[in-house]
Amino acid sequence: QVQLVQSGAEVKKPGASVTVSCKASAYTFTTFYIHWVRQAPGQGLEWMGWINPNGGGAYYAQKFQGRVTMTRDTSITTAYMELNRLRSDDTAVYYCARLIEWEDSSYNMNYWLEPWGQGTLVTVSS
Amino acid sequence: QSVLTQSPSASGTPGQRVTISCSGSNSNIGRNTVNWYQHLPGTAPKLLIYNNNQRPSGVPDRFSGSKSGTSASLAISGLQSEDEADYHCAVWDDSSWVFGGGTKLTVL
Repeated sequence: QVQLVQSGAEVKKPGASVTVSCKASAYTFTTFYIHWVRQAPGQGLEWMGWINPNGGGAYYAQKFQGRVTMTRDTSITTAYMELNRLRSDDTAVYYCARLIEWEDSSYNMNYWLEPWGQGTLVTVSS
Repeated sequence: QSVLTQSPSASGTPGQRVTISCSGSNSNIGRNTVNWYQHLPGTAPKLLIYNNNQRPSGVPDRFSGSKSGTSASLAISGLQSEDEADYHCAVWDDSSWVFGGGTKLTVL
């Protein structure tokens, strides 16, 4: 079945960088955008941005611009999210998710994220 | 400080019907469709409802979604112990995803 499998937990010091990987399987990797979402302890979900595996174009939430880079390697159907200059408030579970787009009978575009990866805990601590 | 507003908690006893609400604005819920996710700690969020009221294959019909104006609701009937989880609403806001803060459902 369609699956996204993420890399394991990371512990980083403030100021360091972290890269989380997201390997896709059982579908054509280049057909669907990959989005990244995180959830800090006790907080809601927070969207970080997307990457288009077909071409590699990416778009980031304003909050993360300048600190985040999303890339992909189509040969191994894997997307990556790199976050730099880590701070303690970057401690969170990071998720990748596949974007589904669907046009309804009224020509309206509808979107949902499915499936999601299992999440990667990134802990930033000195 | 989530863009969409959800009550932090909800509860019910087995067999009951519970409703979880999600409030937004004209720029998100008022213009686009709402999705709901069920999230158990340590696991991937699971799509429960898409396009306001559609259930993916495999999701029991005990789960239903609705939308009116700038608010949406998730209803769970015949509550079961395995329904205890966090529930998140989500809307594509034309250039970004916005989420609710999540509602923790406790089955008493």
